[in-house]
Amino acid sequence: GAGVSQSPRYKVAKRGQDVALRCDPISGHVSLFWYQQALGQGPEFLTYFQNEAQLDKSGLPSDRFFAERPEGSVSTLKIQRTQQEDSAVYLCASSPPGTSDTDTQYFGPGTRLTVL
Amino acid sequence: AQSVSQHNHHVILSEAASLELGCNYSYGGTVNLFWYVQYPGQHLQLLLKYFSGDPLVKGIKGFEAEFIKSKFSFNLRKPSVQWSDTAEYFCAVNAPRYGNNRLAFGKGNQVVVIP
Repeated sequence: GAGVSQSPRYKVAKRGQDVALRCDPISGHVSLFWYQQALGQGPEFLTYFQNEAQLDKSGLPSDRFFAERPEGSVSTLKIQRTQQEDSAVYLCASSPPGTSDTDTQYFGPGTRLTVL
Repeated sequence: AQSVSQHNHHVILSEAASLELGCNYSYGGTVNLFWYVQYPGQHLQLLLKYFSGDPLVKGIKGFEAEFIKSKFSFNLRKPSVQWSDTAEYFCAVNAPRYGNNRLAFGKGNQVVVIP
């Protein structure tokens, strides 16, 4: 079946611009995660949703970062007034409900954000 | 602080050589352990995982990993690599006591297999 999809795949922004990154999780997946992956590093947790509820946003680096999942499916990660240090690949992952596979996360291709 | 450590960030080896990638974590209590692989131009894919039971876990493409609780380790192995194993490999840990199912990743191992 279809995997996690993300759009756009690449985004170039000028410093100070706002950006919005979209994630379409696997159909029926309850949990949704956002991660940030800087060059040469492993992914770092940003935020977590269970259905439409944002249960953990402790990884968001500043109040310029905002995520939502209003209907419990598609999620958007918004970054306001982008800075050069925001340049990274933003990964979305989802996991299924109520099975032994609950703790396994399935990743999308990521959005590579470059801030000039 | 809780962390996941992967050593030898860059690994270069010839086809048919054996591969072992180390992963150590500092979380206490129950942990779920994963190895993900990212082939060039592709997204992160699950290679194998350990939740409980037999500490020797077999994954796809001939990979296996061994959970050694006393050493806080989850090392990945493959007896004989192929050129197609060229990829970046990430160890990840989920520690439920710290809340939700967030994954903590190591920095990754960039593996290049020379034909």
